[in-house]
Amino acid sequence: QKEVEQNSGPLSVPEGAIASLNCTYSDRVSQSFFWYRQYSGKSPELIMSIYSNGDKEDGRFTAQLNKASQYVSLLIRDSQPSDSATYLCAVRGPGGGNKLTFGTGTQLKVEL
Amino acid sequence: SAVISQKPSRDICQRGTSLTIQCQVDSQVTMMFWYRQQPGQSLTLIATANQGSEATYESGFVIDKFPISRPNLTFSTLTVSNMSPEDSSIYLCSVESGTNYGYTFGSGTRLTVV
Repeated sequence: QKEVEQNSGPLSVPEGAIASLNCTYSDRVSQSFFWYRQYSGKSPELIMSIYSNGDKEDGRFTAQLNKASQYVSLLIRDSQPSDSATYLCAVRGPGGGNKLTFGTGTQLKVEL
Repeated sequence: SAVISQKPSRDICQRGTSLTIQCQVDSQVTMMFWYRQQPGQSLTLIATANQGSEATYESGFVIDKFPISRPNLTFSTLTVSNMSPEDSSIYLCSVESGTNYGYTFGSGTRLTVV
């Protein structure tokens, strides 16, 4: 079992729709969870972090964490073509210490 | 959040040679992380660099192939040694920007080995 799993996609959604990206992790005692956006040819950019169970909203983005089920998700409301990118889920510690373990990423395509 | 300057941004190298990648951070950080991203793949941690001690390497990565220096709290280098085409990847450095800021990445070095 991979430490952090994501569907590779591509996930296609129409402009204005809600995009839902999911991630599961294997280390039950993981503490911090991050979503990164990576455009082709660019380095990853942090868009959301979440540490507690529940929802965390920031603009059009909502991160959801369920530690009992070991999953974290990212919702993007009112999806725009500029949201088309690969979204990487990353998990930190304590089993892994301070390092981040990344999933393989989900490619999102927002279509006009 | 921290700002990282990474260079070179890209290079094309001959097999058997070595390339040193530099990362400069605008603030002092305890740990710096070096990642590799192979074409179409996600990020794989190579090693964690601490100032004043040897780097800690992940499984599958060895110091002879990827020597790391960390002379102070704002700077680190990663060398890719005796390169082969399989080393063609993007190499990224990263630091923890603070509890609420997650981890920041440098702009990456796109390496092509021919």
